[in-house]
Amino acid sequence: GQNIDQPTEMTATEGAIVQINCTYQTSGFNGLFWYQQHAGEAPTFLSYNVLDGLEEKGRFSSFLSRSKGYSYLLLKELQMKDSASYLCAVIGFQKLVFGTGTRLLVSP
Amino acid sequence: DSGVTQTPKHLITATGQRVTLRCSPRSGDLSVYWYQQSLDQGLQFLIQYYNGEERAKGNILERFSAQQFPDLHSELNLSSLELGDSALYFCASSIQGDSPLHFGNGTRLTVT
Repeated sequence: GQNIDQPTEMTATEGAIVQINCTYQTSGFNGLFWYQQHAGEAPTFLSYNVLDGLEEKGRFSSFLSRSKGYSYLLLKELQMKDSASYLCAVIGFQKLVFGTGTRLLVSP
Repeated sequence: DSGVTQTPKHLITATGQRVTLRCSPRSGDLSVYWYQQSLDQGLQFLIQYYNGEERAKGNILERFSAQQFPDLHSELNLSSLELGDSALYFCASSIQGDSPLHFGNGTRLTVT
C-alpha cells in the first residue's frame, strides 16, 4: 500500500520562505509530484521529482530523498495568491496517490 | 486551461439515481484518471485507464464504474447514489503512466 503524510496546515507571512514536508511509504516508487489546489478548483502541476536532489522552478523548488522517503516543497518570496493547499503525490505501480494536502495561509 | 474537459460542471440529483460524468483528455494523452474529492478531504484515486484498457484501480465502489472509449474520452457512471457520494469528481489525463497529470475543472455532484 501507500501512505503519504503532510502537515495539515501552515501559516506564513507575505515575502517569507516556507517549506512543506512530505514523507511517504510506498510499495513501488516511480516519482513524486507536487500540486497546488485553490479551494474548489482543479489541482495544478508544480513539480516532478524522480531522482534524488533539488529541482528549482522560479519561486518554487522541490527536493527528494528516495532512501528517506522524504520530499519537501520550498516556496520563496511568498505572495498572497500562494494561499492554497499543496498536495504531495507518489506514483507507483501505475497508481498516483495523493496525500491529504497542506493548507497554506499567507498573511500580510 | 489544462486542456482536459469535464461535463457537466454541476449535477444535482436525488438518492438512488444514476448519473454519468464525462471527460475528454488533453489531445495526445492516452491515460485518464478519475478522482473523488469530498469536502475538505484529499483526492481519492478511483480508477485509471490507458488507451482504452483499465490500468489501475483504487477505492472505487462497486456502484461506480468507468470506461474509456476508442476516441479516448472517458465516462464515470455512479449508480444507486447516496448522500455521501456528494463530492467533486476530477478527471485527469497524462501522456503515459508516469507523466504529470493535468486535471479538468471537475464535476460537482450534489445528492439530495
